[in-house]
Amino acid sequence: QLQESGPGLVKPSETLSLTCTVSGDSISSGSFWGWIRQTPGEGLEWIGAFSFSYNRVTHYNPSLKSRITISVDTSKNQFSLNVNSVTAADTAVYYCARDPGFRYDEWGQGTLVIVSP
Amino acid sequence: QSALTQPASVSGSPGQSITVSCTGTISDVGGYNGVSWYQQHPGKAPKLMLYDVTKRASGVSDRFSGSKSGNTASLTISGLQAEDEAEYYCMSYTSAVTFVFGTGTNVIV
Repeated sequence: QLQESGPGLVKPSETLSLTCTVSGDSISSGSFWGWIRQTPGEGLEWIGAFSFSYNRVTHYNPSLKSRITISVDTSKNQFSLNVNSVTAADTAVYYCARDPGFRYDEWGQGTLVIVSP
Repeated sequence: QSALTQPASVSGSPGQSITVSCTGTISDVGGYNGVSWYQQHPGKAPKLMLYDVTKRASGVSDRFSGSKSGNTASLTISGLQAEDEAEYYCMSYTSAVTFVFGTGTNVIV
């Protein structure tokens, strides 16, 4: 199971920080672990993913790459997402998910983040 | 990277079959078998239905099937049921070592 956590409200120009806590699997396993978001009433957007076992490689959506960072805390079996310099366009439901091989088979319930003064 | 193209909506009557298309390029759908499909009901997280173009996820009904031809992947739902009414998204691995989602299709029963 995966569970997202973090503030539901972020001010414009600040940093959005979310954490995904994984249970029932180890983030050090052979899976990739990723973040996906969904803007209100819109479709899904892949943000990025990492793999601890594949030389801790991280991949990012090119359109977001300059503003995002994915990090991992193996001691807590968690991984995190930071999005810098947020605007209203970053308002979305953010999901964390597991990728055992070119698909996302386990998803968190999602957390809504609103960017507003 | 541009979103994969899906029809906005597809409708069918109970018991009928419908097909949802997902069109990309040689750099994504056409170049790799890493195509997956997700079902999303309102207010819920997406659920994996198919992966590697044709493989059904655990517990998914055999009424769901997938195929690919060239740069277009397809999801077919046979024996349409009321519970199949949902938004469906395709996703593909890309040459840039990223993933890209489709625009989404509202399946109406």
